[in-house]
Amino acid sequence: KQEVTQIPAALSVPEGENLVLNCSFTDSAIYNLQWFRQDPGKGLTSLLLIQSSQREQTSGRLNASLDKSSGRSTLYIAASQPGDSATYLCASSGGGADGLTFGKGTHLIIQP
Amino acid sequence: DAGVTQSPTHLIKTRGQQVTLRCSPISGHKSVSWYQQVLGQGPQFIFQYYEKEERGRGNFPDRFSARQFPNYSSELNVNALLLGDSALYLCASSLGIGSYNEQFFGPGTRLTVL
Repeated sequence: KQEVTQIPAALSVPEGENLVLNCSFTDSAIYNLQWFRQDPGKGLTSLLLIQSSQREQTSGRLNASLDKSSGRSTLYIAASQPGDSATYLCASSGGGADGLTFGKGTHLIIQP
Repeated sequence: DAGVTQSPTHLIKTRGQQVTLRCSPISGHKSVSWYQQVLGQGPQFIFQYYEKEERGRGNFPDRFSARQFPNYSSELNVNALLLGDSALYLCASSLGIGSYNEQFFGPGTRLTVL
């Protein structure tokens, strides 16, 4: 059974810093890995999706990498802003109709 | 184009009651999945429906059921509500069957069971 772990559980940094969020998974036989953002009490916004054949994806100030062999993915946020404050979730896909497996998320606070 | 929509936004029920939650997928998407997110946890997969048939089921009791309509919208039903069913229920749509398709989530329905 796939297990997804996110470290750290919470992070508070000053505005402008570059930061890295970590995601690890126990079963390397994933089809893709997706990063989401969740604002308090809201739904999930898809940020980046990395296919298993890819090493990384970029969107604006966000860069996500994937290393299947080590069971790790990282989300890099450059030049953080207060508007980046949210919970960031990673989720792995086994490819079948068994849904995504999520981590518990990293609660990020960017101090103005 | 509209994203995934869910109704109602919030719902308060008492133990033992039944509840129905609704979801409309993005236009052109034929697959709908349901997830339960308890406070402080990541979402847990409940069901995936594609072309009106259940294609995947998570580890949830039979009190949870769902269906998908010809227009690809979906309903999630929960019977005999327990306090532990209090959660944010999320609906996700995708183009095809299988979790390898990019999932797009709705705003969720917040269910409180008293």
